[in-house]
Amino acid sequence: EDQVTQSPEALRLQEGESSSLNCSYTVSGLRGLFWYRQDPGKGPEFLFTLYSAGEEKEKERLKATLTKKESFLHITAPKPEDSATYLCAVQAHWVGGYQKVTFGIGTKLQVIP
Amino acid sequence: DARVTQTPRHKVTEMGQEVTMRCQPILGHNTVFWYRQTMMQGLELLAYFRNRAPLDDSGMPKDRFSAEMPDATLATLKIQPSEPRDSAVYFCASGLGYTEAFFGQGTRLTVV
Repeated sequence: EDQVTQSPEALRLQEGESSSLNCSYTVSGLRGLFWYRQDPGKGPEFLFTLYSAGEEKEKERLKATLTKKESFLHITAPKPEDSATYLCAVQAHWVGGYQKVTFGIGTKLQVIP
Repeated sequence: DARVTQTPRHKVTEMGQEVTMRCQPILGHNTVFWYRQTMMQGLELLAYFRNRAPLDDSGMPKDRFSAEMPDATLATLKIQPSEPRDSAVYFCASGLGYTEAFFGQGTRLTVV
């Protein structure tokens, strides 16, 4: 069974204090790893897709990286508006007719001014 | 601005009542997902449709939940009868093939 573990569960940062969120996964053949951002009372919003170990993607203050066992979401000089829950999800290769996506519980990030 | 639309946004109902949640996927998307989100379990997949055909509904309690896509612009999730343990936020999402999914705002369901 595919598993996704995110750490820490919660993270509190001062504005400008860089840090990283971790997503460890166990999957029978990774097709893709997704990062989403979720604000309170809203649906998850897509950020990145990573497909192979060594791949990196960036968007503003966020950079996502991927190894064979985990992914990191690096946040550089965060601002209060970066406060949200960040979700990681993995998609396995074609199994039983489709490629199921499994989500982690998420990391709740709070950036204090 | 294309988006997934879900109705209602909030629903409070009594135990035993039928609940119907509706979703309008993004035009042109051929995959539709229903997820349930709780604090303890996070996002759980309930049902998955591709080209309106159900490919996976193994996450749903079959005796009380049902999901359908009567046409390409409408997906429905029904709970009958509803129970307090069904209280959660239900999300619909749509996508193209095997790429990322775009989520709606969710329906917050409270069963009392």
